[in-house]
Amino acid sequence: TQLLKQSPQFLSIQEGENLTVYCNSSSVFSSLQWYRQEPGEGPVLLVTVVTGGEVKKLKRLTFQFGDARKDSSLHITAAQPGDTGLYLCAGEGAAGNKLTFGGGTRVLVKP
Amino acid sequence: DVKVTQSSRYLVKRTGEKVFLECVQDMDHENMFWYRQDPGLGLRLIYFSYDVKMKEKGDIPEGYSVSREKKERFSLILESASTNQTSMYLCASRIGTGYGYTFGSGTRLTVV
Repeated sequence: TQLLKQSPQFLSIQEGENLTVYCNSSSVFSSLQWYRQEPGEGPVLLVTVVTGGEVKKLKRLTFQFGDARKDSSLHITAAQPGDTGLYLCAGEGAAGNKLTFGGGTRVLVKP
Repeated sequence: DVKVTQSSRYLVKRTGEKVFLECVQDMDHENMFWYRQDPGLGLRLIYFSYDVKMKEKGDIPEGYSVSREKKERFSLILESASTNQTSMYLCASRIGTGYGYTFGSGTRLTVV
């Protein structure tokens, strides 16, 4: 089983601050996805990164896939209360038949 | 807008009951998945399906079975519910390998 470890598990910051969430594994993934989940709802896909070293931006969110395709990071600039939620990374293995999810990072942005 | 619909948001069942969780997608997706989500354990894959009448075990299939008689519907069955199956159950679908999942809103199941 390929394991994905996210850090930190919990992050509490003030509105306007920046934050970074990490997703690490000893395994190589063919692609990696990031999701955000709000209480009582299912996760919603934010981005998919495929190429080692790839950087994708989604407004104030920046996603990076490590050169070796074993790790990824999510950086939020000038966080807002609407960014509050559970952030999940998920990796697609070589078999390409399913995703393995990390344990999640709970982010709280206080006004 | 694409949709994955889970039949119940909240469910309370008694130990030993047979429980059916239904999931329907309207996107003509080939792949469908059932996960459970528990605090501290993240999302764990129970079963998945590539096509009608096909199913594959995930990481924690014990105590569960699935049915996919039609492409749009993927059912999770708890043969004899137990208290350790109390959890949030999430259904997801996707077009195919390399694509993102679309999740349903989840079913919070409590077994008493």
